[in-house]
Amino acid sequence: QVQLKESGPGLVQPSQTLSLTCTVSGFSLTTYGVSWVRQPPGKGLEWIGAMWISGDTDSISALKSRLTISRDTSKSQVLLRMNSLQAEDTAMYFCARHGRGSGFAYWGQGTLVTVSS
Amino acid sequence: EIVLTQSPTTIAASPGEKVTITCRASSSVSYMYWYQQKSGASPKLWIYDTSKLAPGVPNRFSGSGSGTSYSLTVTTMETEDAATYYCQQWSSTPPTFGAGTELEL
Repeated sequence: QVQLKESGPGLVQPSQTLSLTCTVSGFSLTTYGVSWVRQPPGKGLEWIGAMWISGDTDSISALKSRLTISRDTSKSQVLLRMNSLQAEDTAMYFCARHGRGSGFAYWGQGTLVTVSS
Repeated sequence: EIVLTQSPTTIAASPGEKVTITCRASSSVSYMYWYQQKSGASPKLWIYDTSKLAPGVPNRFSGSGSGTSYSLTVTTMETEDAATYYCQQWSSTPPTFGAGTELEL
């Protein structure tokens, strides 16, 4: 069955770089896109970027200079790298599967990232 | 980007009561998606393509709308429906979410 699982460090110091991995199973990264969505504690959902089946990526304007999304199809992984982290980047980070211009049908359980010294 | 405005922010309902959540888009969208999220859990796709129920979603839920105005309705509120509901569009990138509506019992 379709599964997505996020993994990452949990705690990141301010100004440092965050690296998260989304490992998927039950589908191919060349068949479905995978997005990253974050949710600050007690707040709403924010889409931050996507990896398309073509290997192209998209991200929100506010994070374009800090965010890199890549993939390793052999490992069925989508990678997120965000630099210059600040306290406002503290959030639960989810990866989610989607089609083109559609909804997010499958979600990982999320990984909490806390930016603190 | 398209801004989605949900109302109300919070709504309290009694068992058996009918509930409607609205989502207004700043520009016309083709479809709306709705998610249910309970505390400590990942969001679940609840309604897709405006009016189609995701597998396992009770048929007391329905979705409707077009253009810039969409809604999610629960015909008879049940205890298990207490959650936060988010609308989402991807008619244009970036996909955006509403701020959420907390449905309380």
